[in-house]
Amino acid sequence: QVQLQESGPGLVKPSQTLSLTCTVSGGSISSGSYYWSWIRQPAGKGLEWIGRIYTSGSTNYNPSLKSRVTISVDTSKNQFSLKLSSVTAADTAVYYCARLGWLRGGYYFDYWGQGTLVTVSS
Amino acid sequence: DIQMTQSPSSVSASVGDRVTITCRASQGISSWLAWYQQKPGKAPKLLIYAASSLQSGVPSRFSGSGSGTDFTLTISSLQPEDFATYYCQQANSFPLLTFGGGTKVEIK
Repeated sequence: QVQLQESGPGLVKPSQTLSLTCTVSGGSISSGSYYWSWIRQPAGKGLEWIGRIYTSGSTNYNPSLKSRVTISVDTSKNQFSLKLSSVTAADTAVYYCARLGWLRGGYYFDYWGQGTLVTVSS
Repeated sequence: DIQMTQSPSSVSASVGDRVTITCRASQGISSWLAWYQQKPGKAPKLLIYAASSLQSGVPSRFSGSGSGTDFTLTISSLQPEDFATYYCQQANSFPLLTFGGGTKVEIK
């Protein structure tokens, strides 16, 4: 059973860089045709896809965040990471990592981490 | 970008009721649609993918239908553990994946 766990600071100052890591257990991050993704959810609001990475290092980002986002992968540690620069209060949200699995011809989020709350405040 | 619009935004129902939630895409997405269930303080859980395929372990009272721009999620007989918020997600314009705004199923 694949499990994902987010980790990182719960409080980030405005204008600084938010950094989170997702550790994958129960399977190798390199096995299978999976993408690894970050999604966020402000309190009381809906889900926003941030970006995804393949284990080759190939990335795609949400155009609305592209200028500030970097997602990377460390296959030796079975982890992938998110960096979001120049944060403001609008970036306060629960951040989820998730696996994109190939199901009947499409990619869907089939495994999720529990989520971690990141608050942007001075 | 493909916009996903869910309706209603909330619905009040009783245990045993049949509940239907609708999701409309701003352009055709074939059958590339998923439904997720999210309970308070928890991560979303995949229920349905490819519009009508039930994810492993999900009770058969959940079903999905539709193609093109209009989709529905139906709970045939609402159970106490089904009170949650439901989201649709389009997978047509990969890698840019977008979610609907959510539908909260509340106790009547």
